[in-house]
Amino acid sequence: AQSVTQPDIHITVSEGASLELRCNYSYGATPYLFWYVQSPGQGLQLLLKYFSGDTLVQGIKGFEAEFKRSQSSFNLRKPSVHWSDAAEYFCAVVPTGGYQKVTFGIGTKLQVIP
Amino acid sequence: DAGVIQSPRHEVTEMGQEVTLRCKPISGHDYLFWYRQTMMRGLELLIYFNNNVPIDDSGMPEDRFSAKMPNASFSTLKIQPSEPRDSAVYFCASKAAGGGYTFGSGTRLTVV
Repeated sequence: AQSVTQPDIHITVSEGASLELRCNYSYGATPYLFWYVQSPGQGLQLLLKYFSGDTLVQGIKGFEAEFKRSQSSFNLRKPSVHWSDAAEYFCAVVPTGGYQKVTFGIGTKLQVIP
Repeated sequence: DAGVIQSPRHEVTEMGQEVTLRCKPISGHDYLFWYRQTMMRGLELLIYFNNNVPIDDSGMPEDRFSAKMPNASFSTLKIQPSEPRDSAVYFCASKAAGGGYTFGSGTRLTVV
């Protein structure tokens, strides 16, 4: 069965500092990969997705993610964090082949300090 | 487009009562998903529909949970009878084939 691991439950960074959120997946083949952000009291918003091709994916709000097949990872990065980035971030995988079931990681809560 | 619309935003009910959560997906999206989010278990898929037909309900925790999608623009998730351990945020999401998921703002359910 596929699984998604986000090893960091909470991360605190200073405003202006760089950010990397880790995501590892377990699946027999390369799945489709997603990152979502959830602000307090809001639903999840898609930040970016990887289906195939260039392994460095650009998303909204200045985020990017890099797919590394050898490490089964899809880490999310941002060079300079803003206070408004404080939220919870979810990594998700969907098997290729048209099956729609998605598996989410447990989420990483990001705190941004001045 | 107003996005995925869920109602109510908050629901507080007493144990044993029936609870109905509602979802209106984005027009043209042919997949609809119900998720439950708790601190302990994160996001869990409960059930999803394709073209109004339930495809996978293996995530539905018990017979107390049921979901319907009578047409392409409406779905319900019902819990009867409700229990305190059902307290969670329930999300509805929709997607078109090949696209990403669009989530609603969720319904925060508290069962006392």
